[in-house]
Amino acid sequence: NAGVTQTPKFQVLKTGQSMTLQCAQDMNHEYMSWYRQDPGMGLRLIHYSVGAGITDQGEVPNGYNVSRSTTEDFPLRLLSAAPSQTSVYFCASSYTRVATEAFFGQGTRLTVV
Amino acid sequence: GENVEQHPSTLSVQEGDSAVIKCTYSDSASNYFPWYKQELGKGPQLIIDIRSNVGEKKDQRIAVTLNKTAKHFSLHITETQPEDSAVYFCAATGQGAQKLVFGQGTRLTINP
Repeated sequence: NAGVTQTPKFQVLKTGQSMTLQCAQDMNHEYMSWYRQDPGMGLRLIHYSVGAGITDQGEVPNGYNVSRSTTEDFPLRLLSAAPSQTSVYFCASSYTRVATEAFFGQGTRLTVV
Repeated sequence: GENVEQHPSTLSVQEGDSAVIKCTYSDSASNYFPWYKQELGKGPQLIIDIRSNVGEKKDQRIAVTLNKTAKHFSLHITETQPEDSAVYFCAATGQGAQKLVFGQGTRLTINP
């Protein structure tokens, strides 16, 4: 099992560009989520999904879109990147439909210039 | 919604001593409280968790205590070792356990 795999590991974007951060898990987990990590602020929930076809907003959803067409994949789309979206992004998954015992990926470091 | 406060933000202890990190939460309906360890350049890793029907849980050198009345929970690490140096995060579930709310993190340094 690879666990939770995030790609890319690093990315630099120009303001206004769009991109998709990929997240895949091979553990047949129902629950998947995206967090951003900024210094001194812990991890903040962006969007989450309790199963294929179901998504919902977290604390900081503005500027991000998600979809969940399969159990394995949960991509995060930045529609028009802004410098405020410079952060480290983590994807996590849990085997139930709730956020307990979450497994995290290794993260994507995004810089928007 | 849920709000989690974590203290201290940095903690430095001598190898072999104990370390304690404390968190408070606001939503009395929260019922799941995990602790994560994050090493440099890596994702957070679950090290221990506790549910609201339990007051204390131990796993070798780490333990977590929960006081539901006061709405606070703590991580205790005994006999600290250099490999315990990392950033530790507490968290609590909100909204039917579908949202995990994290504290701000504690950078723990173990001095040899």
